[in-house]
Amino acid sequence: AQTIHQWPVAEIKAVGSPLSLGCTIKGKSSPNLYWYWQATGGTLQQLFYSITVGQVESVVQLNLSASRPKDDQFILSTEKLLLSHSGFYLCAWSLRDWGQDTQYFGPGTRLLVL
Amino acid sequence: GEQVEQRPPHLSVREGDSAVITCTYTDPNSYYFFWYKQEPGASLQLLMKVFSSTEINEGQGFTVLLNKKDKRLSLNLTAAHPGDSAAYFCAAGNSGGSNYKLTFGKGTLLTVTP
Repeated sequence: AQTIHQWPVAEIKAVGSPLSLGCTIKGKSSPNLYWYWQATGGTLQQLFYSITVGQVESVVQLNLSASRPKDDQFILSTEKLLLSHSGFYLCAWSLRDWGQDTQYFGPGTRLLVL
Repeated sequence: GEQVEQRPPHLSVREGDSAVITCTYTDPNSYYFFWYKQEPGASLQLLMKVFSSTEINEGQGFTVLLNKKDKRLSLNLTAAHPGDSAAYFCAAGNSGGSNYKLTFGKGTLLTVTP
């Protein structure tokens, strides 16, 4: 069975500090991977997606970047955090095949920027 | 791009009553639709995936209706119970079988009181 793991579970960071959030998928080969941001109050925004190693497409950047260094790993990062980066970050995966592209979400990382 | 409007933002019902959440979307090419449930502090759990070819989809304790003509998607919890209390999100996937971009509604916070 596939598992999706996100780290860290939660972070409190200072404005201007760097950030790196990680996501790994086990049990699925070559999944599509996604990053989402959920603001306090609930709105979900897709940030990035990746269909293969080394390729990442930006949907909305929000002064963040993403990378896919391995088939099963997706990283979200920034060199300088803003207050507006606070929220809940969710990683999701899907298969690539037609009709199999339901997105399944990881447990998420809560980020508070002070 | 696709825009999804979800109503109501808050819904309170008594146990045993029905609860209806509705989303309207703008892109006639959207092909896949999803309903997700998010319990407090948790990630998103897939309730149902709806193909544009199927108008009525039934799950455990709920029904999803898709009206392509009106570009409307609804979730009907037929006999709500307190365990259904959560935030519910609809999402629309873009066309062409590449569900790389999901556009979410802003969510509905459902409260079911005993």
